[in-house]
Amino acid sequence: GQNIDQPTEMTATEGAIVQINCTYQTSGFNGLFWYQQHAGEAPTFLSYNVLDGLEEKGRFSSFLSRSKGYSYLLLKELQMKDSASYLCAVKDSNYQLIWGAGTKLIIKP
Amino acid sequence: IAGITQAPTSQILAAGRRMTLRCTQDMRHNAMYWYRQDLGLGLRLIHYSNTAGTTGKGEVPDGYSVSRANTDDFPLTLASAVPSQTSVYFCATSNDPSFNEQFFGPGTRLTVL
Repeated sequence: GQNIDQPTEMTATEGAIVQINCTYQTSGFNGLFWYQQHAGEAPTFLSYNVLDGLEEKGRFSSFLSRSKGYSYLLLKELQMKDSASYLCAVKDSNYQLIWGAGTKLIIKP
Repeated sequence: IAGITQAPTSQILAAGRRMTLRCTQDMRHNAMYWYRQDLGLGLRLIHYSNTAGTTGKGEVPDGYSVSRANTDDFPLTLASAVPSQTSVYFCATSNDPSFNEQFFGPGTRLTVL
């Protein structure tokens, strides 16, 4: 079967760094996505990794290891507005997205 | 219209009733998708359309139907609603099926009693 695992909830302090992990087992791999979803809103795109390594975009970075079926999202200089759910998704061999249940990130002052 | 619109924003529906959720985009994207999102579960694909005139089944298609008569519109119909279809429904688009990003509409919150 296909499976995406990520922690249910994480807590971090404003100004700190947090790493959200995602492991996956899918039928084929055509890229991994991270989305941000604030409560009551639609998911919005953060990053896309198709090759191994780190992609940096401002305060957010995403890492991929295809051999390990592993990715992480790194958020630096946390702000209160970063409180949201972070969704990991893999594009499988049929070009469909398989989604994890999301990690709820709580930022404390 | 800017981006993707969905209607209604929310709806309470009696079990057994027929309901159509509307999705319209103005980005001229070829591919469109319907997902449902339930607490504790990831987004699950209901149906998709890679281009106007074609549709396909996703992970959880039972009880739902779609049509894609043109590029812009992708309605989702519940023929006879059941309480297990209570969920938040998101429409999404991508420029083509082998996308690098999917864009999401604001969602429809549906409650079936």
